[in-house]
Amino acid sequence: DAGVIQSPRHEVTEMGQEVTLRCKPISGHNSLFWYRQTMMRGLELLIYFNNNVPIDDSGMPEDRFSAKMPNASFSTLKIQPSEPRDSAVYFCASRNQEGSYNEQFFGPGTRLTVL
Amino acid sequence: DQQVKQNSPSLSVQEGRISILNCDYTNSMFDYFLWYKKYPAEGPTFLISISSIKDKNEDGRFTVFLNKSAKHLSLHIVPSQPGDSAVYFCAASHSGTYKYIFGTGTRLKVLA
Repeated sequence: DAGVIQSPRHEVTEMGQEVTLRCKPISGHNSLFWYRQTMMRGLELLIYFNNNVPIDDSGMPEDRFSAKMPNASFSTLKIQPSEPRDSAVYFCASRNQEGSYNEQFFGPGTRLTVL
Repeated sequence: DQQVKQNSPSLSVQEGRISILNCDYTNSMFDYFLWYKKYPAEGPTFLISISSIKDKNEDGRFTVFLNKSAKHLSLHIVPSQPGDSAVYFCAASHSGTYKYIFGTGTRLKVLA
């Protein structure tokens, strides 16, 4: 199994630019999560999908952030416009609710730097 | 408001000794707790978990202890090995829900 796949692994952009992060969950998993890791706040849940439907986006920091899951094998997290304070590592995770109890499997992350 | 707190950002331990990582939580509704381990440039990976009906769960060199009255859990690694050097995240959840609340992590360094 390839695990959760994220792209790009690194992204450097300038303030004001649009950024799109991509995630392919583990095949057969029906829940997908986007997290952001910072030194100050640790791992924060941004948004959660179940069966491709957004369930809870209360962690999305601002309207500049949006996420979509057009099908069971693909999700995007978009930041438009980006700001320097968005610099962080963004993780995608997936879970099979009918499988291992509560365990989430994380991708390798995308390190975003906004100059 | 940080519901899950890891007050020690870093910890250094000699190889072969015990590593103890601590985690405190504030929400008494949490009933499922997990530890994740993270190496540089990789995503977090699941290490061990414990349900609130237990006070101890052991898996090889790793043991998690839960003290519900103190709202405290700890991860013991015995004996510590250099390969255990990583960032450890504590997380808490309501059973049957999707939402993990993570702490800020503790960086463990095991010295050879």
